[in-house]
Amino acid sequence: QLQLQESGPGLVKPSETLSLTCTVSGGSISSSSYYWGWIRQPPGKGLEWIGSIYYSGSTYYNPSLKSRVTISVDTSKNQFSLKLSSVTAADTAVYYCAPLGFSVDYWGQGTLVTVSS
Amino acid sequence: EIVLTQSPGTLSLSPGERATLSCRASQSVSSSYLAWYQQKPGQAPRLLIYGASSRATGIPDRFSGSGSGTDFTLTISRLEPEDFAVYYCQQYGSSQYTFGQGTKLEIK
Repeated sequence: QLQLQESGPGLVKPSETLSLTCTVSGGSISSSSYYWGWIRQPPGKGLEWIGSIYYSGSTYYNPSLKSRVTISVDTSKNQFSLKLSSVTAADTAVYYCAPLGFSVDYWGQGTLVTVSS
Repeated sequence: EIVLTQSPGTLSLSPGERATLSCRASQSVSSSYLAWYQQKPGQAPRLLIYGASSRATGIPDRFSGSGSGTDFTLTISRLEPEDFAVYYCQQYGSSQYTFGQGTKLEIK
């Protein structure tokens, strides 16, 4: 069974870039079964899809975040990464990584990223 | 972008009762691309239903999904204490994903 683990700083200053990595185990990120994606959840609020990447590198982003988001993949490390630039307090959230089919079958445990000076 | 609207926002019921949660889409959604999740405090969401009506692995048969087009429903036939949580619907279309705002199912 797939397992995913998010890693990265838990505190980011306003206007800086948030960077997270998701390490996949129990399966290959080069599997054709899934896109690999990021979903976030501000404290006490709902879920928001950030973007997705295929192992080949093709990407799709949420239009509301597209100008600030970059998702990349490293198949040699079985990892994919998120960069979100020019962050504000509104970007404070639990960030989840997940394999994406038509639904989200598996979720990472999530990592809280707080934007604060 | 397809917007999903869930109702009610909060549903207060007692164990043993039947729960009916609604998810309405702003445009037609393929049934294959509609899912439901359960989320408990401090936990990641858990997939309950995919393809509008198929239960995910290990999900009890008291959970069922139905609907098509723009109107979808999650039904919990007989509430157990562990079912009180927040429920989200989600759709996939044009390589984009959107979630409803959630329904909180609380103990009455």
